[in-house]
Amino acid sequence: ETGVTQSPTHLIKTRGQQVTLRCSSQSGHNTVSWYQQALGQGPQFIFQYYREEENGRGNFPPRFSGLQFPNYSSELNVNALELDDSALYLCASSSRDSSSYEQYFGPGTRLTVT
Amino acid sequence: QKEVEQDPGPLSVPEGAIVSLNCTYSNSAFQYFMWYRQYSRKGPELLMYTYSSGNKEDGRFTAQVDKSSKYISLFIRDSQPSDSATYLCAMSAGGTSYGKLTFGQGTILTVHP
Repeated sequence: ETGVTQSPTHLIKTRGQQVTLRCSSQSGHNTVSWYQQALGQGPQFIFQYYREEENGRGNFPPRFSGLQFPNYSSELNVNALELDDSALYLCASSSRDSSSYEQYFGPGTRLTVT
Repeated sequence: QKEVEQDPGPLSVPEGAIVSLNCTYSNSAFQYFMWYRQYSRKGPELLMYTYSSGNKEDGRFTAQVDKSSKYISLFIRDSQPSDSATYLCAMSAGGTSYGKLTFGQGTILTVHP
């Protein structure tokens, strides 16, 4: 069984730029959720994708957007980067059709905005 | 007030001690409760998953949920230096909130030899 993978591992961007982060879900999972984790804090829910559509969103502005592909992998896009966007970005996969609420996280992408 | 409150610690214990980690919450709709372990600069690793009130045991770990008090706990028996990490509680209301986990701040645990 393949676990959740994310790329890239680290990323440094300048304020105002755009960034795309990628996630491959665990084998057999069809739902991907994205979280932002600031240093010393718990993860904050950004949004979730199921069947290629956004299905639930946290308190994040529209410049945070995403995609899910037919193979259930997903992208997180952030436009007009701000310094406060510096964080660890985590994706988690789960199997909604099995009604399991267990979510399995990837290793994260550490984004630094300068 | 945050929906989920967790004492950030840090917590330092000797090897072999029993560790108790706790979270309180305010949203009575929460039904699914999880504990994650996160090593430095890594993604969270699912340790325990429980539904509604009750206890669940897995090896050295025991999770307790008391929905009437809106209080959950994780106990670690015979703690080891390899247990040193940040422990995060997380919960979900389910239904239309499927996939949305609300986390506590995390408790930093150090187990010293």
